[in-house]
Amino acid sequence: DAGVIQSPRHEVTEMGQEVTLRCKPISGHDYLFWYRQTMMRGLELLIYFNNNVPIDDSGMPEDRFSAKMPNASFSTLKIQPSEPRDSAVYFCASSLRDLSHSYGYTFGSGTRLTVV
Amino acid sequence: AQSVTQPDIHITVSEGASLELRCNYSYGATPYLFWYVQSPGQGLQLLLKYFSGDTLVQGIKGFEAEFKRSQSSFNLRKPSVHWSDAAEYFCAVGARDDKIIFGKGTRLHILP
Repeated sequence: DAGVIQSPRHEVTEMGQEVTLRCKPISGHDYLFWYRQTMMRGLELLIYFNNNVPIDDSGMPEDRFSAKMPNASFSTLKIQPSEPRDSAVYFCASSLRDLSHSYGYTFGSGTRLTVV
Repeated sequence: AQSVTQPDIHITVSEGASLELRCNYSYGATPYLFWYVQSPGQGLQLLLKYFSGDTLVQGIKGFEAEFKRSQSSFNLRKPSVHWSDAAEYFCAVGARDDKIIFGKGTRLHILP
């Protein structure tokens, strides 16, 4: 298994531009999570999906952020328009839940976003 | 609401010395507890997890953690650290609605 795959690994964009981050979860996993990591705030949960349906988006910082999961093997996180304060590492994670919720998450390698 | 506290932002130990990283949690029911490790430029990797049974759990890379309900703690230990253990370590607690809440992390530095 190739694990959780994120693309691109690095993204540098100018303020005001649209940015799209991509994630392919592990096949068969039914939960997908988007996290943002910064030095100041640590690891923040932005949104998560169960069976492609968004369950909790309370962590999405503002309307500039949106996430979709059109099918079980693909998700996107979009920022439009981007701002310098969005600079961070964005992680995608997936998991498979049994009745005891015991598996933990498998993380991708992250996308380092720099907005200049 | 559930929360996780890792009181030490940085820890420095000498190679070969023992290690203990502290983690305290707040949760209303029996928690699912996790330790993850993050090497520079990498995602988080699961070290070990606890959700029931024996309160001393063994993980990968020679790590172990002990769940102490009376102290609301889940400290991570290793008897002898290696230079390759230098990384950031995250404690996390599982919540009823399937979210895992992460602590702020402890960065481990190893002296040669």
